[in-house]
Amino acid sequence: EAGVAQSPRYKIIEKRQSVAFWCNPISGHATLYWYQQILGQGPKLLIQFQNNGVVDDSQLPKDRFSAERLKGVDSTLKIQPAKLEDSAVYLCASSSTGGRGQPQHFGDGTRLSIL
Amino acid sequence: GESVGLHLPTLSVQEGDNSIINCAYSNSASDYFIWYKQESGKGPQFIIDIRSNMDKRQGQRVTVLLNKTVKHLSLQIAATQPGDSAVYFCAEGLSGGYNKLIFGAGTRLAVHP
Repeated sequence: EAGVAQSPRYKIIEKRQSVAFWCNPISGHATLYWYQQILGQGPKLLIQFQNNGVVDDSQLPKDRFSAERLKGVDSTLKIQPAKLEDSAVYLCASSSTGGRGQPQHFGDGTRLSIL
Repeated sequence: GESVGLHLPTLSVQEGDNSIINCAYSNSASDYFIWYKQESGKGPQFIIDIRSNMDKRQGQRVTVLLNKTVKHLSLQIAATQPGDSAVYFCAEGLSGGYNKLIFGAGTRLAVHP
């Protein structure tokens, strides 16, 4: 089966600009996650969708980050305006259901550099 | 490609030796644990998981051990190969909620020929 697809692979912007990332989960997966991975650290969950509804966005900086999954399939994550500390890899993952213990399958991420 | 984990602790092993990667988790309420492998420029790849009602689980060349008393998890890789070189993360699943994972800091495994 095809894996989680993310684009773009790399993005370089200046601080205060906006940026958007796209994710297409594994076909049929109901649950979609966005993570932020700062260099040298483990991934940190930003937001979790169950179908097209948000079930956890407790660690999403809502003043600048937003995400949507309108049709319950693909998703976009936006940052506006970007800050230097947003430089990181943004990973998307999906699991078949939101049930606990379901393995999360990751895409290869978008590496964001803020100048 | 990009380098994941520039300042992570590193475990160096010889090809063919067994590797043991350790992880301490923080939440006593966690009841599900996963090991992921992350190669440079790639996303984390699922290796093996274990639930808190188990002490040990084996996969192909990998074994995970769980010690709930001291909140410790380990990943054993048998006959380590150059392709095993990567950063390894443990993650804990919090009881309740919606399959939320908390990732540890990671360990870099370097396999030398």
